[in-house]
Amino acid sequence: AQKVTQAQTEISVVEKEDVTLDCVYETRDTTYYLFWYKQPPSGELVFLIRRNSFDEQNEISGRYSWNFQKSTSSFNFTITASQVVDSAVYFCALSEAKSGGYQKVTFGTGTKLQVIP
Amino acid sequence: NAGVTQTPKFRILKIGQSMTLQCTQDMNHNYMYWYRQDPGMGLKLIYYSVGAGITDKGEVPNGYNVSRSTTEDFPLRLELAAPSQTSVYFCASSYLQKGQGEAFFGQGTRLTVV
Repeated sequence: AQKVTQAQTEISVVEKEDVTLDCVYETRDTTYYLFWYKQPPSGELVFLIRRNSFDEQNEISGRYSWNFQKSTSSFNFTITASQVVDSAVYFCALSEAKSGGYQKVTFGTGTKLQVIP
Repeated sequence: NAGVTQTPKFRILKIGQSMTLQCTQDMNHNYMYWYRQDPGMGLKLIYYSVGAGITDKGEVPNGYNVSRSTTEDFPLRLELAAPSQTSVYFCASSYLQKGQGEAFFGQGTRLTVV
């Protein structure tokens, strides 16, 4: 069975600090996809990144970076020099990659990040 | 670009009432989903559709029904509303199979059943 664990329920940081959001996953599949979504106070979920299980390269996009480590089944998300606009709930998600029909997407319970000015 | 549009944004229902949450997307995505988000619980899949005329149950389908007569529209019907259905509902769509595609979400519908 798939499982995504985001152990940090809430994190508060002061603006300009770096912060890392943890995501640990469980799956029996060898091929799968990992995602991060951002849910700002306005409510909608916004896609941030997708990673497939064969690509362990870390990725950087501006102040955002992601560290994927299959050995520890983790897909952590770091925000460098945090800003107030980063305040949101962040969800990690895991998806299977089987052919035909629906592939279950499992979401973590989310980490609420508050950036204090 | 409109993306995924959900209506209404807010609704209060009395126990036993029925309602339909509307969802439409203009991206020609085959895959559409309904999720509910309860506090501290992440998102749970209610129903999904892989194309017009094809729907299937997700993790928590009881008390809900869906239809998919067109590619664009995927309404969610609540029959006999119960307090346990108080939640935030999200419609989403995606364009790739095999779990590869990221989902595009609507802004959500906050439903309270009293």
